[in-house]
Amino acid sequence: DAKTTQPPSMDCAEGRAANLPCNHSTISGNEYVYWYRQIHSQGPQYIIHGLKNNETNEMASLIITEDRKSSTLILPHATLRDTAVYYCIVGAGYKLSFGAGTTVTVRA
Amino acid sequence: DAGVIQSPRHEVTEMGQEVTLRCKPISGHNSLFWYRQTMMRGLELLIYFNNNVPIDDSGMPEDRFSAKMPNASFSTLKIQPSEPRDSAVYFCASSLEVWEPVNYGYTFGSGTRLTVV
Repeated sequence: DAKTTQPPSMDCAEGRAANLPCNHSTISGNEYVYWYRQIHSQGPQYIIHGLKNNETNEMASLIITEDRKSSTLILPHATLRDTAVYYCIVGAGYKLSFGAGTTVTVRA
Repeated sequence: DAGVIQSPRHEVTEMGQEVTLRCKPISGHNSLFWYRQTMMRGLELLIYFNNNVPIDDSGMPEDRFSAKMPNASFSTLKIQPSEPRDSAVYFCASSLEVWEPVNYGYTFGSGTRLTVV
């Protein structure tokens, strides 16, 4: 069963912020939101995770709504190397179920 | 750190042959995962080890698949006999201890692309 809903694709201009939405209306109280990305022909790469507070690291920011039913991953200054499939995952513990993700294409 | 190392990168084998995929996790990581990725099914968790012990193998497709972790620095995934439907990219990932309910991010290897003809 899909726990998250993401748009299948989106384009972004190089140098601009990329805002990737994710809906997870059935998230449970102990489930975290995780974001990974997969660049073509590589393994998935961990980006960030959060429970209910907004989080920021060197790669991205994660904004989670107060009701935790949706979140947004923000890539502040997208580069061509950010072109990838981005996965939004909700889960607890080791069980992370990867869906189809959003294919993000950064254009020059 | 060299990251998670998988070998071989590519494997082409004939149906019925035995295939062994290898993984070296990041030193100090005590959780190891095997995933399979196909166009039809996406990324699927096959098996999870913690401190070299298999914790969850419910994702292993059938008895033809087996995985071992003889020590903290090495794991294998074996398919015997292989079938064309096993063709996929197999990823190994490792992480620090997974504390319920949170985990702190998996590091994936580059994968092994398996083709069974």
